[in-house]
Amino acid sequence: QKEVEQDPGPLSVPEGAIVSLNCTYSNSAFQYFMWYRQYSRKGPELLMYTYSSGNKEDGRFTAQVDKSSKYISLFIRDSQPSDSATYLCAMTHRGGSNYKLTFGKGTLLTVNP
Amino acid sequence: GAVVSQHPSWVICKSGTSVKIECRSLDFQATTMFWYRQFPKQSLMLMATSNEGSKATYEQGVEKDKFLINHASLTLSTLTVTSAHPEDSSFYICSASMQAVQPQHFGDGTRLSIL
Repeated sequence: QKEVEQDPGPLSVPEGAIVSLNCTYSNSAFQYFMWYRQYSRKGPELLMYTYSSGNKEDGRFTAQVDKSSKYISLFIRDSQPSDSATYLCAMTHRGGSNYKLTFGKGTLLTVNP
Repeated sequence: GAVVSQHPSWVICKSGTSVKIECRSLDFQATTMFWYRQFPKQSLMLMATSNEGSKATYEQGVEKDKFLINHASLTLSTLTVTSAHPEDSSFYICSASMQAVQPQHFGDGTRLSIL
Protein backbone atom coordinates (compact mmCIF):
# COMPACT_ATOMS: atom_id res chain seq x y z
CA GLN A 1 0.00 0.00 0.00
CA LYS A 2 1.35 3.39 -0.98
CA GLU A 3 1.75 5.94 1.78
CA VAL A 4 -0.50 8.41 -0.02
CA GLU A 5 -3.30 7.45 -2.39
CA GLN A 6 -4.89 9.96 -4.74
CA ASP A 7 -7.25 9.22 -7.63
CA PRO A 8 -5.50 10.54 -10.77
CA GLY A 9 -8.81 11.20 -12.53
CA PRO A 10 -9.19 12.79 -14.97
CA LEU A 11 -12.05 14.77 -13.49
CA SER A 12 -14.19 16.94 -15.74
CA VAL A 13 -16.83 19.34 -14.38
CA PRO A 14 -18.90 22.24 -15.73
CA GLU A 15 -18.07 25.78 -14.75
CA GLY A 16 -19.63 26.73 -11.42
CA ALA A 17 -19.60 23.19 -10.03
CA ILE A 18 -18.26 22.27 -6.61
CA VAL A 19 -15.18 20.11 -6.95
CA SER A 20 -14.09 17.58 -4.34
CA LEU A 21 -10.55 16.22 -4.41
CA ASN A 22 -9.36 13.62 -1.93
CA CYS A 23 -6.34 11.78 -0.62
CA THR A 24 -5.97 8.97 1.86
CA TYR A 25 -2.81 8.10 3.71
CA SER A 26 -1.52 5.24 5.78
CA ASN A 27 1.24 6.83 7.88
CA SER A 28 -0.30 8.08 11.10
CA ALA A 29 2.84 10.16 11.74
CA PHE A 30 1.85 12.66 9.05
CA GLN A 31 1.00 15.94 10.72
CA TYR A 32 1.25 18.64 8.06
CA PHE A 33 -0.91 18.62 4.98
CA MET A 34 -0.71 20.66 1.82
CA TRP A 35 -2.54 21.04 -1.46
CA TYR A 36 -0.68 22.25 -4.50
CA ARG A 37 -1.99 23.24 -7.92
CA GLN A 38 0.22 22.59 -10.92
CA TYR A 39 -0.46 23.99 -14.35
CA SER A 40 1.08 22.26 -17.34
CA ARG A 41 4.81 22.92 -17.62
CA LYS A 42 4.89 24.94 -14.40
CA GLY A 43 5.97 24.26 -10.85
CA PRO A 44 3.42 23.44 -8.14
CA GLU A 45 1.75 26.40 -6.43
CA LEU A 46 0.83 26.14 -2.75
CA LEU A 47 -2.93 26.47 -2.24
CA MET A 48 -3.54 25.32 1.30
CA TYR A 49 -1.46 24.32 4.31
CA THR A 50 -2.87 22.89 7.48
CA TYR A 51 -1.70 20.87 10.45
CA SER A 52 -4.83 20.18 12.42
CA SER A 53 -8.00 18.22 11.89
CA GLY A 54 -10.96 20.22 10.72
CA ASN A 55 -11.61 22.72 7.99
CA LYS A 56 -9.59 25.65 6.70
CA GLU A 57 -11.09 28.06 4.21
CA ASP A 58 -9.38 30.48 1.83
CA GLY A 59 -11.63 32.14 -0.71
CA ARG A 60 -13.19 29.48 -2.93
CA PHE A 61 -10.98 26.76 -1.45
CA THR A 62 -11.63 24.68 1.66
CA ALA A 63 -9.18 22.11 2.97
CA GLN A 64 -10.48 19.41 5.25
CA VAL A 65 -8.39 17.04 7.36
CA ASP A 66 -9.68 14.00 9.22
CA LYS A 67 -6.74 12.45 11.02
CA SER A 68 -8.83 9.71 12.59
CA SER A 69 -9.77 8.44 9.11
CA LYS A 70 -6.43 9.44 7.52
CA TYR A 71 -8.32 11.36 4.88
CA ILE A 72 -7.87 14.85 3.47
CA SER A 73 -9.99 16.78 1.01
CA LEU A 74 -9.89 19.95 -1.02
CA PHE A 75 -13.15 21.57 -2.07
CA ILE A 76 -13.34 24.18 -4.80
CA ARG A 77 -16.52 26.24 -4.93
CA ASP A 78 -17.78 28.01 -8.04
CA SER A 79 -15.12 26.33 -10.15
CA GLN A 80 -13.69 28.30 -13.05
CA PRO A 81 -11.95 27.23 -16.28
CA SER A 82 -8.79 28.76 -14.82
CA ASP A 83 -8.93 26.08 -12.10
CA SER A 84 -8.14 23.46 -14.74
CA ALA A 85 -4.85 21.95 -13.56
CA THR A 86 -3.38 19.00 -11.71
CA TYR A 87 -3.95 19.07 -7.96
CA LEU A 88 -1.39 17.41 -5.74
CA CYS A 89 -1.84 16.55 -2.10
CA ALA A 90 1.33 16.42 -0.02
CA MET A 91 2.13 15.67 3.58
CA THR A 92 5.01 15.42 5.99
CA HIS A 93 5.79 14.85 9.62
CA ARG A 94 8.08 15.96 12.36
CA GLY A 95 10.95 13.58 12.83
CA GLY A 96 13.65 12.46 10.47
CA SER A 97 15.29 15.37 8.74
CA ASN A 98 14.22 18.19 6.51
CA TYR A 99 10.51 17.41 6.48
CA LYS A 100 10.47 15.70 3.12
CA LEU A 101 7.11 15.77 1.39
CA THR A 102 5.22 12.68 0.35
CA PHE A 103 3.02 13.46 -2.64
CA GLY A 104 -0.09 11.92 -4.06
CA LYS A 105 -0.01 11.16 -7.78
CA GLY A 106 -2.12 14.21 -8.56
CA THR A 107 -5.66 14.60 -9.91
CA LEU A 108 -6.10 16.20 -13.33
CA LEU A 109 -9.09 18.56 -13.23
CA THR A 110 -10.77 20.17 -16.23
CA VAL A 111 -13.45 22.81 -15.72
CA ASN A 112 -15.48 23.27 -18.87
CA PRO A 113 -16.93 26.70 -19.74
CA GLY B 1 5.42 36.47 -0.64
CA ALA B 2 7.46 33.25 -0.72
CA VAL B 3 8.59 33.50 -4.32
CA VAL B 4 11.06 31.02 -5.75
CA SER B 5 12.73 31.79 -9.04
CA GLN B 6 14.30 29.10 -11.20
CA HIS B 7 16.54 29.73 -14.18
CA PRO B 8 16.70 28.82 -17.00
CA SER B 9 13.15 27.76 -17.74
CA TRP B 10 14.19 25.75 -20.78
CA VAL B 11 17.52 24.54 -22.05
CA ILE B 12 18.50 22.44 -25.04
CA CYS B 13 22.05 21.19 -25.31
CA LYS B 14 24.20 18.52 -26.86
CA SER B 15 25.00 15.22 -25.23
CA GLY B 16 28.09 15.44 -23.04
CA THR B 17 27.47 19.03 -22.00
CA SER B 18 27.15 20.06 -18.36
CA VAL B 19 24.12 22.18 -17.47
CA LYS B 20 23.64 24.37 -14.42
CA ILE B 21 20.21 25.26 -13.05
CA GLU B 22 19.76 28.01 -10.47
CA CYS B 23 17.12 28.23 -7.78
CA ARG B 24 16.66 31.45 -5.82
CA SER B 25 14.34 32.39 -3.00
CA LEU B 26 13.52 36.01 -3.78
CA ASP B 27 11.80 37.30 -0.66
CA PHE B 28 12.80 34.90 2.11
CA GLN B 29 15.78 33.01 3.41
CA ALA B 30 15.59 29.31 2.66
CA THR B 31 17.20 27.07 5.24
CA THR B 32 16.42 24.06 3.08
CA MET B 33 16.10 23.62 -0.67
CA PHE B 34 14.91 20.57 -2.51
CA TRP B 35 15.45 19.33 -6.06
CA TYR B 36 12.87 17.24 -7.86
CA ARG B 37 12.53 15.55 -11.20
CA GLN B 38 9.17 15.09 -12.88
CA PHE B 39 8.35 12.85 -15.82
CA PRO B 40 5.29 13.53 -17.98
CA LYS B 41 1.99 12.85 -16.20
CA GLN B 42 3.77 11.71 -13.06
CA SER B 43 4.21 13.20 -9.64
CA LEU B 44 7.39 14.79 -8.38
CA MET B 45 10.35 12.58 -7.51
CA LEU B 46 12.69 13.98 -4.87
CA MET B 47 16.31 13.87 -5.95
CA ALA B 48 18.10 15.59 -3.09
CA THR B 49 17.77 17.92 -0.14
CA SER B 50 20.26 20.64 0.65
CA ASN B 51 20.82 22.82 3.66
CA GLU B 52 22.82 26.01 3.37
CA GLY B 53 26.49 25.37 3.92
CA SER B 54 26.14 21.60 4.09
CA LYS B 55 26.52 18.76 1.65
CA ALA B 56 23.34 17.71 -0.07
CA THR B 57 21.53 14.54 0.95
CA TYR B 58 20.67 12.45 -2.08
CA GLU B 59 17.80 10.03 -2.43
CA GLN B 60 18.49 6.41 -3.13
CA GLY B 61 19.33 5.81 -6.76
CA VAL B 62 20.34 9.39 -7.52
CA GLU B 63 23.98 9.68 -8.59
CA LYS B 64 25.63 12.44 -6.59
CA ASP B 65 28.51 12.72 -9.08
CA LYS B 66 26.02 13.15 -11.89
CA PHE B 67 23.80 15.71 -10.18
CA LEU B 68 25.97 18.19 -8.30
CA ILE B 69 24.16 20.39 -5.82
CA ASN B 70 25.54 23.51 -4.21
CA HIS B 71 23.69 25.55 -1.59
CA ALA B 72 26.17 28.33 -0.91
CA SER B 73 23.79 30.89 0.54
CA LEU B 74 20.36 31.12 2.15
CA THR B 75 18.86 32.31 -1.13
CA LEU B 76 20.62 30.27 -3.81
CA SER B 77 21.01 26.63 -4.67
CA THR B 78 22.32 25.22 -7.93
CA LEU B 79 21.94 21.86 -9.61
CA THR B 80 24.54 20.90 -12.20
CA VAL B 81 23.81 17.98 -14.47
CA THR B 82 27.25 16.81 -15.49
CA SER B 83 27.97 15.20 -18.86
CA ALA B 84 24.28 15.15 -19.65
CA HIS B 85 22.83 12.44 -21.89
CA PRO B 86 19.42 12.09 -23.54
CA GLU B 87 18.12 9.99 -20.63
CA ASP B 88 18.68 13.01 -18.38
CA SER B 89 16.08 14.95 -20.35
CA SER B 90 13.31 15.83 -17.93
CA PHE B 91 11.55 18.58 -16.01
CA TYR B 92 13.60 19.63 -12.99
CA ILE B 93 11.92 21.62 -10.21
CA CYS B 94 13.37 23.18 -7.09
CA SER B 95 11.61 24.18 -3.91
CA ALA B 96 12.57 26.12 -0.82
CA SER B 97 11.41 26.16 2.76
CA MET B 98 11.92 28.96 5.29
CA GLN B 99 12.29 26.66 8.23
CA ALA B 100 11.22 23.36 9.64
CA VAL B 101 7.49 22.59 9.37
CA GLN B 102 6.92 25.42 6.93
CA PRO B 103 5.57 24.40 3.52
CA GLN B 104 7.80 24.18 0.46
CA HIS B 105 7.46 26.82 -2.23
CA PHE B 106 8.30 25.73 -5.74
CA GLY B 107 10.02 27.32 -8.68
CA ASP B 108 8.51 27.11 -12.14
CA GLY B 109 10.81 24.32 -13.25
CA THR B 110 13.45 23.85 -15.92
CA ARG B 111 12.74 21.80 -18.99
CA LEU B 112 16.01 20.10 -19.96
CA SER B 113 16.35 18.54 -23.41
CA ILE B 114 19.55 16.74 -24.30
CA LEU B 115 20.10 16.02 -27.99
